[in-house]
Amino acid sequence: DAGITQSPRYKITETGRQVTLMCHQTWSHSYMFWYRQDLGHGLRLIYYSAAADITDKGEVPDGYVVSRSKTENFPLTLESATRSQTSVYFCASSDRGGEETQYFGPGTRLLVL
Amino acid sequence: AQKVTQAQTEISVVEKEDVTLDCVYETRDTTYYLFWYKQPPSGELVFLIRRNSFDEQNEISGRYSWNFQKSTSSFNFTITASQVVDSAVYFCALSRGYNKLIFGAGTRLAVHP
Repeated sequence: DAGITQSPRYKITETGRQVTLMCHQTWSHSYMFWYRQDLGHGLRLIYYSAAADITDKGEVPDGYVVSRSKTENFPLTLESATRSQTSVYFCASSDRGGEETQYFGPGTRLLVL
Repeated sequence: AQKVTQAQTEISVVEKEDVTLDCVYETRDTTYYLFWYKQPPSGELVFLIRRNSFDEQNEISGRYSWNFQKSTSSFNFTITASQVVDSAVYFCALSRGYNKLIFGAGTRLAVHP
């Protein structure tokens, strides 16, 4: 029973490179979310998806791209990484969106040099 | 505007002390949900409780209890007889509709032996 997993768990990259963070859930939840966690800001929503092929922006979407071709996967791509994107990224899923409990993956710690 | 305020940035207590973590929220919605999550030093986010806006009954789960008061827009979390394992960052969050979970900045709790 894997639940929700993220890969890689740690990533170091350089400014300007493209980076993709993977998220996979085994619950068949409809909704999936990407958050970033920065000191003093709590967690902020980047993008979310209500179902396969349906995605929408959150609070801080600039510089990120998402896709969702399969219900269980929700990759997050940084098209051209910047130092300000150094953060911890969390993926989450829920059965029916914001009113339902969101369950989080273990997080990916990203360092952009 | 939707907002969650956790005014206590850090709290330090000695084991067996009771401690209350404050959470104040702002919303114009009549239907909403409130959550608490725990983030231990290992970094994962652990769901603790979900409460809807129509249920103002306090809840107790072992050493944990939650006090929801709509009149003061507060959803406070109390740990009774704290233990070292309670050391973590605790986040309060507010849901808005199907696509947003708004987090407070978190309160770091340190429980010393």
